[in-house]
Amino acid sequence: QKEVEQNSGPLSVPEGAIASLNCTYSDRVSQSFFWYRQYSGKSPELIMSIYSNGDKEDGRFTAQLNKASQYVSLLIRDSQPSDSATYLCAVKEGLTYKYIFGTGTRLKVLA
Amino acid sequence: GAVVSQHPSRVICKSGTSVKIECRSLDFQATTMFWYRQFPKQSLMLMATSNEGSKATYEQGVEKDKFLINHASLTLSTLTVTSAHPEDSSFYICSAREPGQGLAIYNEQFFGPGTRLTVL
Repeated sequence: QKEVEQNSGPLSVPEGAIASLNCTYSDRVSQSFFWYRQYSGKSPELIMSIYSNGDKEDGRFTAQLNKASQYVSLLIRDSQPSDSATYLCAVKEGLTYKYIFGTGTRLKVLA
Repeated sequence: GAVVSQHPSRVICKSGTSVKIECRSLDFQATTMFWYRQFPKQSLMLMATSNEGSKATYEQGVEKDKFLINHASLTLSTLTVTSAHPEDSSFYICSAREPGQGLAIYNEQFFGPGTRLTVL
């Protein structure tokens, strides 16, 4: 059974700090990785996608991928209270179109 | 671009009734749509993959006779929860894949806003 693991949290950080969210996955063939933000009662919204080893930056967000370690992370710089949400890591299964989601990490940014 | 809608956004029904949820891709043709279910404080679980013009592929443990999926056009897929019971109460989310976007690894899913089903 292919799995995606995340710490459920909550992860609490003060406003302005860096929030670091981690995800590990079991499928060595996976090539596509996504971070979604989900507010309570809402559908997930895509924050970042990453396909190659290394870092990918978009505004305050940086995704990091290490395929050898089967590890993907998301850094949120200058965290804001509006960033408080559940962050879902999704991995595309092998070479298929199917996504496997982690259980999500709940982030709380304290004002 | 790449907008997916769902209707209804919320539905409350009595136990034993059937409920139909629509998923539409508004500005692109979706060869493949996906149906997910999310229980409170849990992650999204894929229920089935729906391909236009063919039978849906259900994930292990999902009853195909209970969750009927129809993908009759490139912009519409429907999920019918038949004889709904309180344990079917959940947040149902669809997503759609836009075809012809280069390599499959770069192909992203676009999510609808979800449908909250409550079965009394």
